[in-house]
Order: sequence, then structure tokens, then C-alpha cells
Amino acid sequence: DTGVSQNPRHKITKRGQNVTFRCDPISEHNRLYWYRQTLGQGPEFLTYFQNEAQLEKSRLLSDRFSAERPKGSFSTLEIQRTEQGDSAMYLCASSLGTLPGEQYFGPGTRLTVT
Amino acid sequence: KQEVTQIPAALSVPEGENLVLNCSFTDSAIYNLQWFRQDPGKGLTSLLLIQSSQREQTSGRLNASLDKSSGRSTLYIAASQPGDSATYLCAVFGSNYQLIWGAGTKLIIKP
Repeated sequence: DTGVSQNPRHKITKRGQNVTFRCDPISEHNRLYWYRQTLGQGPEFLTYFQNEAQLEKSRLLSDRFSAERPKGSFSTLEIQRTEQGDSAMYLCASSLGTLPGEQYFGPGTRLTVT
Repeated sequence: KQEVTQIPAALSVPEGENLVLNCSFTDSAIYNLQWFRQDPGKGLTSLLLIQSSQREQTSGRLNASLDKSSGRSTLYIAASQPGDSATYLCAVFGSNYQLIWGAGTKLIIKP
């Protein structure tokens, strides 16, 4: 399968714990995006990378959130000291090129904070 | 600030009907507009991408149009089938390099 993959698919954690999600984009896609989606809503942009550089961060991305994309390949999204409000589907997408192009999404990681 | 609205929020039609889903956006300065499909609890599948210079795109039974000046896009689905049941979302890619999304239209096709 050469699509975008995300791991884990589901994560249940207790409030206050740290969690880390991984996204593997389509190979050779230089752009990688993270979004968050809550029930009944469209996704909300969190951040994006062009190669290894993080070029944009949403105000939704508080200090407890950090994202990396070492070597411009896979990316990780870490949430520290999770809160119940962090419960959501976290989606990763990738695209090719320097201009905005078609984004291809992974299956998402569903986070439940108890 | 870009805002994207999708009407209706939900739609239920009998199998075989042609239908139109609507998407409107407030800022016409967009690079492209993308229509997605989302099945319950799943990720997003890209259906059609329309560049800002284009008026429409077609894929099989789907046709999407874009009118930048009026801030509107429509997704036309011909000869609907029960397998088309899903939530359809539109998203615009603006000058801030972010996809801004509508809340989606939940479509149910009754056999």
C-alpha cells in the first residue's frame, strides 16, 4: 500500500499523560499536514511541513503540542499533559510540489482522553 | 477570515436520483477547492480538485463546479447509489497555505 499511513489507529489515554502519533506520507511527497477533527465538524488545520521545515502553525496548536518531521520523511505529533478536550481524530495528509496541490489523507488516529 | 459553509447539513434521497451539494466560501482568493468523502469513523478520500483557474472537474458520476466570483462550488452526483452514502466535505486552499473546511453534508441514499 503506497498511501498515507498513520499509527496508532486508536489511542486511549488518561488525562495528564503524553501521547505521540506517527504519520508516514506518500513517498516523495514533500508537504505534510496535520489536522484535527471533532465529531460532526470539518477538520481544523494544525500545522504543515515542507520537507523538514515546519512552515505554519495554527493558534490551535498550544504549547502542549509539538510536531516534527526529521529528514523530511515521516512526522510525529506529540501531545503533552493531555486534556479531555484533546479527544478527537488526528488526520495527516501529504501532497507533492511547491504549489498547493491535491492532499491525500491517512486513516487518522482517534484519541480518547479519559 | 475565510469561512466555508455547506448546505444542507444532511440530505436523504431515493436511489437513482441526481443531486447537488453546495459549498460557499467568503474569500475568493483561493488556490484551489477540493471535495472529499468521509465514511463514518474513517479518514478522508479526495474526490475532485478544482484549481482556481478552472470552472469544473469531472470524475465518473461526479461533477464539481467552481464560481470564484460568487464564492460557490457545487458537487453534482448523477444516478445516486446506496454506496454513495457518506459525508461530503469541501475545503478551500487559501493564501495562508491552509485548507479551510466546511462542516460537511451527510448524504443518505435510500435503496
